[in-house]
Amino acid sequence: LAKTTQPISMDSYEGQEVNITCSHNNIATNDYITWYQQFPSQGPRFIIQGYKTKVTNEVASLFIPADRKSSTLSLPRVSLSDTAVYYCLVGDSGGGADGLTFGKGTHLIIQP
Amino acid sequence: NAGVTQTPKFQVLKTGQSMTLQCAQDMNHEYMSWYRQDPGMGLRLIHYSVGAGITDQGEVPNGYNVSRSTTEDFPLRLLSAAPSQTSVYFCASSSTGDRHGYTFGSGTRLTVV
Repeated sequence: LAKTTQPISMDSYEGQEVNITCSHNNIATNDYITWYQQFPSQGPRFIIQGYKTKVTNEVASLFIPADRKSSTLSLPRVSLSDTAVYYCLVGDSGGGADGLTFGKGTHLIIQP
Repeated sequence: NAGVTQTPKFQVLKTGQSMTLQCAQDMNHEYMSWYRQDPGMGLRLIHYSVGAGITDQGEVPNGYNVSRSTTEDFPLRLLSAAPSQTSVYFCASSSTGDRHGYTFGSGTRLTVV
């Protein structure tokens, strides 16, 4: 499984755009990039998944450069409720039959 | 659609006691897995299953057993609880090629005293 590296923590303010970058230098050809969000006392929640270029949904955008060695999760106009831990994972599109490998994630703190 | 249901939500055990954490999903997912999360840490994989009758060990399997007799259920058994097993436990499920990744339950907070 490709190892991922992301910042331990980030701060921002309400209404700002937040970009969290994840490095995955050893990503395999058939690997997808998936981001999860976790609030305190809750299980992780799927945010977005992509393979290349750009993916956008109602919650976030995911930018993946051509070499796929990194990816950036973009959260537009964040609010206080976006304060959470964000995990970047690399693997099969379904998450992989053999479970998920989580790093420590990025603790995003949004201030008023 | 209930998704992934975990019971109980909270549990206190004495050292040496055994118990089973229940996990059920109603999405007909083949893949199920158990994780533990300790304070300030990411989730660590305990056991996983790729289908009924098939289970395998993850990163931290010692002290835990699993079985998968049906597609829907994937219970986690603590054989002889130890204080080091105090943690929050999450169950998750997914399906081949599911573009929405894994669906997680709401967790079981276990304290072993």
